[in-house]
Amino acid sequence: NAGVMQNPRHLVRRRGQEARLRCSPMKGHSHVYWYRQLPEEGLKFMVYLQKENIIDESGMPKERFSAEFPKEGPSILRIQQVVRGDSAAYFCASSEVSVGGANTEAFFGQGTRLTVV
Amino acid sequence: KNQVEQSPQSLIILEGKNCTLQCNYTVSPFSNLRWYKQDTGRGPVSLTIMTFSENTKSNGRYTATLDADTKQSSLHITASQLSDSASYICVVSRASGGSYIPTFGRGTSLIVHP
Repeated sequence: NAGVMQNPRHLVRRRGQEARLRCSPMKGHSHVYWYRQLPEEGLKFMVYLQKENIIDESGMPKERFSAEFPKEGPSILRIQQVVRGDSAAYFCASSEVSVGGANTEAFFGQGTRLTVV
Repeated sequence: KNQVEQSPQSLIILEGKNCTLQCNYTVSPFSNLRWYKQDTGRGPVSLTIMTFSENTKSNGRYTATLDADTKQSSLHITASQLSDSASYICVVSRASGGSYIPTFGRGTSLIVHP
């Protein structure tokens, strides 16, 4: 089991371009969480997805940001028309299907560091 | 509002010394509490997990405590090592519709000096 895989590890975009961040969850995991970490800040929840469904997107900006987790393939966090303030580390975590919290461990990927120039 | 507050924000100790990190939360309904260690440039790695009925949980030199009445947790590190230098993040999860939603603290940055 290769763990949670995120790519790219580093991404540089000019202002106004689009950024697409990918997250492949651990095998057997159907829950995916995206977090943003600004320099010197803690992790901030953005969105929680299960296969083909957005469960909670309360932490995601209403404009320019979107996320999907298709039936096949990785989860994608998409940022349109990036601005300098979007520069941050974006982490993805995954967990396997379960009801109740005690056995639902979330495993994190290494993150994607987005730099907007 | 569901919040997790950690203290201190940063801590510097000498190698071999012990330290204790604090976590206060207002997350409800409570499901579980986890402590993560995040090395610089890496993703967080789970250290301990505790449910409502557990008061203490150990993982090697790491011991976590939980007081569900006062909504406080602590992470005690004994005989610190240089490799303990990292950010320690308290995560409290609430139950929501059969799943759980985690709330992250901002972390305590620990630096262990030789």
